[in-house]
Parts: sequence; C-alpha cells; structure tokens
Amino acid sequence: EAQVTQNPRYLITVTGKKLTVTCSQNMNHEYMSWYRQDPGLGLRQIYYSMNVEVTDKGDVPEGYKVSRKEKRNFPLILESPSPNQTSLYFCASSVEEGAMEQYFGPGTRLTVT
Amino acid sequence: GNSVTQMEGPVTLSEEAFLTINCTYTATGYPSLFWYVQYPGEGLQLLLKATKADDKGSNKGFEATYRKETTSFHLEKGSVQVSDSAVYFCALSDTSNTGKLIFGQGTTLQVKP
Repeated sequence: EAQVTQNPRYLITVTGKKLTVTCSQNMNHEYMSWYRQDPGLGLRQIYYSMNVEVTDKGDVPEGYKVSRKEKRNFPLILESPSPNQTSLYFCASSVEEGAMEQYFGPGTRLTVT
Repeated sequence: GNSVTQMEGPVTLSEEAFLTINCTYTATGYPSLFWYVQYPGEGLQLLLKATKADDKGSNKGFEATYRKETTSFHLEKGSVQVSDSAVYFCALSDTSNTGKLIFGQGTTLQVKP
C-alpha cells in the first residue's frame, strides 16, 4: 500500500530535550516536506527536500533541522524544543516538486512542556 | 505573497443540506488550486483539484470551479452526509518553484443526522 508513515504519532516532552520525528514514504517520491498545523493558521511549511541531500527552508524553519540521506526518509529534528513548537506535524511527499498531488502522513501531535 | 482565505467555521448542517465553503486566493502567476480533507485523527487527503482558469474539479459529489476573475475556488456539495464531517482545507501551489502548498486556515464541517 502506498503510504507516508510518521513516528511517533503522539509525543509529550520537556523543553530542551532533543527529539526526532521520523517520516518514510514507499512511493519512490523525490519531493518531501514537513508542515506544522496550528489552529486558525492552516498548515505552514517548515522544510522541504527536492531529492537526496537537497533540502531547503520553508516558511517557518526556525528551531528545526532536517536531513535527506535516503530517498524514502526525511526526519524532522528539534535540537532544543520549546513550548511554541507544540503543534501537529505532517510529513508529505510527491513525485516531484510541482506535482499535482501531495500525499500526507497521519500526523504527529507534539506537546512541549 | 501568495495566500488563501477560507470562510470561518465551524459549519453545521443537517444531512442532505447543500454545502458551500468559500475560498478566495491571492497569487502571482498561475497556481493550481486544491481542496484537501482531513478526517478526525487522520492526515490530509486530496479531495479535488483544478489546474487552470474555468477548470472544474470534482470528486465524491464535491465540486469546485477555478474562477480567475473572482480569484475564488468555492467548494460545493448538493447533499451532505454525516460521513462528510471533517476539516476542509483550500490550498494553492506556490508559484516560486518550492513545491510548497499554501493552505487556508481550514473549515470544520459537522453534519448532523
């Protein structure tokens, strides 16, 4: 089954404790990205990747890092999480940048206390 | 910059009622337009899309027409069902070659039996 998976689905952590949210897709997609969803703001892009070893900042990259060492994986790293990073995070992928459809993972709900 | 504005929710309807969710956009160039749906506890799924002016996207009884003259992409359905209860997001493809989708804030639809 074609899908985007994320782990964990739920995470409660404390300020400053490094964490990684994993994202994996099995569709051989070149393009992957991370969004955060906040009430009243819709989804905003954090980082994106056009292909392996090619990443760039989205609209709200502060406090986040990403890597793309393999085509299928695109982890989101929070080196020192803060409470304003409490949010619902979605990973997405598409065949290529500009493709008509992006496929979204199920989301990771992160709470930073 | 490019942006999307959706009508505020929540929208509460009785089963078989007519649905309209308004969406207007601001964009340079010629973006593609999308409606995504998010069912409770799930990621976003593409509902329909339109790639150029006057195109009509349709799926599962939902329709939306790309209106360049009014910069709108309103979502409509003639007869809603309880199973349509979800959050609906209007989005456009950013024209800056980042592959980014720009989302509206989302509209929650609740359909009562």
